[in-house]
This record gives sequence, structure tokens and C-alpha cells, in this order.
Amino acid sequence: DTGVSQNPRHKITKRGQNVTFRCDPISEHNRLYWYRQTLGQGPEFLTYFQNEAQLEKSRLLSDRFSAERPKGSFSTLEIQRTEQGDSAMYLCQVWGYNEQFFGPGTRLTVL
Amino acid sequence: AQSVTQLDSQVPVFEEAPVELRCNYSSSVSVYLFWYVQYPNQGLQLLLKYLSGSTLVKGINGFEAEFNKSQTSFHLRKPSVHISDTAEYFCAVRRFYSSASKIIFGSGTRLSIRP
Repeated sequence: DTGVSQNPRHKITKRGQNVTFRCDPISEHNRLYWYRQTLGQGPEFLTYFQNEAQLEKSRLLSDRFSAERPKGSFSTLEIQRTEQGDSAMYLCQVWGYNEQFFGPGTRLTVL
Repeated sequence: AQSVTQLDSQVPVFEEAPVELRCNYSSSVSVYLFWYVQYPNQGLQLLLKYLSGSTLVKGINGFEAEFNKSQTSFHLRKPSVHISDTAEYFCAVRRFYSSASKIIFGSGTRLSIRP
């Protein structure tokens, strides 16, 4: 039990299609982060929520990426018009007062 | 801005030998420091963290790390490794006292244990 679930676990899509990932914390955590991890690299920050407010976005995040956390619980990350360079593992992390958890990730493959 | 350098991309060691994984960071402000482990085909798991206080931090699975402010290092150590320690290890930093602070990760060190 990692404290966070992510769905889907794997997604294969064709270039140009839109995809949406979901992150569900098991219990309430006010801070939620999205990261992207490519092979052989550490996770790379994408965006951050404090409750439902999106407080920071990476400059690496193009306009094709959007994230929401409408009720301060689960979060979605959407990628529009996917490109092959978007192929990566997308990770969600939640922070509570004195604990933090990473989800298992969603592996995206863009053909 | 903060950055993290993990000096070794791969570290092979024999089982029951000691190991040190090196991490150096750069920051103009005070930071929190973390080590995470990623086992094959699994998510990231927090090994240990340094927030303040004693510079020697003990984590799970027998790992410990020492914060050295003058050398801006946070090396991870284990006195005797086991086959089950085979994994990727990531050092990370987060800015102190900031409500909007992201975590910056190093590129990782792959620890492989030989029997």
C-alpha cells in the first residue's frame, strides 16, 4: 500500500491523440505533485497542487499539458496531441503533515 | 535554484560489503535532503530524509546518510549490503520553508549486488 493509486498503469497511444491520467491519494494529503521520469533519469517536476490550487508549473510543461485537482483530493493530468517525446513514466506524489508517498506511475508509450 | 549531482551512475558491490552512494547538491538557500529507492518495476519509496538536527540520519533497511553542509554533500551508506538492495537510488533536495517547493532529483545511482 503506497498511499496513492494511479490509473491507468500503462497507456499506449498513437501520436496526436489525447491522454488523461488519474492520481488518487488513499487519504487526505494537501500537497500533490506530478513528475515525469524517462529511462535512466530521475523524476522531473511537472506541476504542484496545494489542495485544489495549482501553485507551480514547470517551464518544461508545454501548453499541451494540463492538470487539475478539482476538489483537492484526486488529480488528473491530460496531454493533448501527444508526441513521441512524451513517452515516459508519469508519477504522482502526495505529501501530508509528516508523510509522503509516490504512486506506482503510469507508463505512457506514444507510437 | 537547486541542483543535485549523483557522482556515480552505477555502483557494483559484492554482497555483505559496505557501500557508499555519493550525492552533492547546490543551493543558494537552505534545503531539505532526501534519498529515495526504486526497486525494479516498482514506485519510488522514501529511504530517509534530513530536515534539521543531527547530521547523521538513519533510514529504513539499514541505510544511513550524513549531511555535510560545508561540502554540500549527503552521501548514503550501508555497512553490509544484501542482494535485495539491488535498486536505483535517487538523491533529492527541496527548498526550506517554502509552500510552493518542488523536489529536485538527481539522475540516480544503480546499485547492483554481486553474490
